[in-house]
This record gives sequence, C-alpha cells and structure tokens, in this order.
Amino acid sequence: AQSVSQHNHHVILSEAASLELGCNYSYGGTVNLFWYVQYPGQHLQLLLKYFSGDPLVKGIKGFEAEFIKSKFSFNLRKPSVQWSDTAEYFCAVKGTGNQFYFGTGTSLTVIP
Amino acid sequence: DTAVSQTPKYLVTQMGNDKSIKCEQNLGHDTMYWYKQDSKKFLKIMFSYNNKELIINETVPNRFSPKSPDKAHLNLHINSLELGDSAVYFCASSQFGLAGGRLGNEQFFGPGTRLTVL
Repeated sequence: AQSVSQHNHHVILSEAASLELGCNYSYGGTVNLFWYVQYPGQHLQLLLKYFSGDPLVKGIKGFEAEFIKSKFSFNLRKPSVQWSDTAEYFCAVKGTGNQFYFGTGTSLTVIP
Repeated sequence: DTAVSQTPKYLVTQMGNDKSIKCEQNLGHDTMYWYKQDSKKFLKIMFSYNNKELIINETVPNRFSPKSPDKAHLNLHINSLELGDSAVYFCASSQFGLAGGRLGNEQFFGPGTRLTVL
C-alpha cells in the first residue's frame, strides 16, 4: 500500500526564517505529487504540484518543492516565511487510479 | 462561483440521530471524494466515486453511506450518530487521469462541514 510520511509534525519559526518540510512516499510507479495548505478554519488549497518534467516546481506565495525520485521525496521550501504562512501543510501523492494519499500534516507556526 | 460547495457548514446534533451532508461541484469533474479530518488534523479518505460509481470505500462503519445522484453531487448520509463522528468532513473533486499526465491533477476541496455530536 502507498503511504506518505511527513516527518515534522510541528514546526515553529520566526519571521524571515527559511522553511523546509519533509515529505517521503512509498510507491514505485509514476506519481503526481502535491502540497496543500490549510489556513486556520479553512479548507485545503493547492500550493503546488508536480506531474512530470522539471523536478523543481514553484507554487504560490513563494513556495517551491523539489522532487527527488531516487529518494522518493518531495520536500517543500520557502526562503523566508511570514506570519501569514501559519497553517497546516499536507503532502499528497497520487499514483495510478483516482486515489490520493495524504501525509499526516505539519503544523507551522510563524512567530512575528 | 464556488467550485466545490458543501452544506451545511456547521452541524450540531444529538447522538443517535441521522444526518446528511451535501456536496456539489461545478467543475465538470468525474470523481468526488469524502474525507474526515479529526481534531489532530489527520485527513482520512472515506469514499471515492467516479462517474456515480463507488471506487474506493475505506474502512468506515456502514452507518456512513454515500449517495451520488449524478457526477456533480456526492452526499454523505450518517445513521445513528456517535460521539466519535465529531469531526470536519471535507468533500473534494478531481478529474480522472493517469499519473504523470496533466490530467488527474489536484483535488479541489469544499469548505468543510464541522459536525459536532453531543
């Protein structure tokens, strides 16, 4: 069965610090990869996605992620976080078929 | 226009009651999902429908029954509600496609329904 691991459960950063959230998945075939963000009290919104091509993808709000196939990883990065980035972040993987597999989420708190 | 909408947004009810949550998407997608998000923010897939047919049915109690009258709607009916059913329920939709292709990309989520069972 496929699985998605997010190693950081809670991250606390000061504004302007750099962010990297880890995501590893277990699936041997072709995958689509996603990062979603959930702001407090809101629904999940797509930050960025990878489906093929350049493994470094850029998303909204200055976020980017790098797909490293050999490591089965898709880590999320942002060079300088803001208070408004405080949210829950979910990594997701889609292989063949329609099922999406979500990680357990990482709670990010940015201190002004 | 709201792409994926859910009603109601909040639902407070007594144990033992039966309730329904409705979901509609206007994106023309052929696949819809129900997720349960618990208090720890863990997101668990419950059901997935493709063109009105059930394709994923994770281990959920049979008190939960999805109904898809057409591919734009996926409703969730819950019988005999229990305290442990309290959670936020999210509906989502996507367009089927093979992995690695431009289709079958991201899910679009509804605003969620916060269910509280007393």
